[in-house]
Amino acid sequence: DTEVTQTPKHLVMGMTNKKSLKCEQHMGHRAMYWYKQKAKKPPELMFVYSYEKLSINESVPSRFSPECPNSSLLNLHLHALQPEDSALYLCASSLLFRNQPQHFGDGTRLSIL
Amino acid sequence: DQQVKQNSPSLSVQEGRISILNCDYTNSMFDYFLWYKKYPAEGPTFLISISSIKDKNEDGRFTVFLNKSAKHLSLHIVPSQPGDSAVYFCAASAAAAGNKLTFGGGTRVLVKP
Repeated sequence: DTEVTQTPKHLVMGMTNKKSLKCEQHMGHRAMYWYKQKAKKPPELMFVYSYEKLSINESVPSRFSPECPNSSLLNLHLHALQPEDSALYLCASSLLFRNQPQHFGDGTRLSIL
Repeated sequence: DQQVKQNSPSLSVQEGRISILNCDYTNSMFDYFLWYKKYPAEGPTFLISISSIKDKNEDGRFTVFLNKSAKHLSLHIVPSQPGDSAVYFCAASAAAAGNKLTFGGGTRVLVKP
């Protein structure tokens, strides 16, 4: 059982749609992350939030818009995505102290038609 | 430029024997190393970690060894069990890079009964 909950588990959307991915954790972690994982590849970091503030953006296209409304929630707003954006999107969280592991949710499998 | 590499894409081992997974890195700033296990349709599950001030960390059946001079780490699983069949990722982070995890490409382990 994962303590990081992601919804929805699967999402199919057209290139003109707007949708959001949601992530929730109640472990008191003040760092939250979005990763993208393509098939047979490792996860790649997209964004990092520390104390609800965006601290790292790995040059992600603006069609992906993260939001951290409070310390337990992390959203990823999607708009005008391309077929190559189809992937597994993983959320993770961790304590903000040095040398702390990140704990992952089960991800949202996104397909762009 | 792959900063973290797992050169063996797959490994097959008999139940009860030792599984040894290897990982090499190039960035000398990395100071914290982790191993994750991933089942299909699930997110990565944290297994064990080691900081650069240590050369060994043990947790039950899992032991991680770090050789800083060789920029090499390994994960030993003993005894291997069929439930250990999964993809294993090593990951590394640098304190100066703000908790960003860089993953290796993964090793698929199959434990045969």
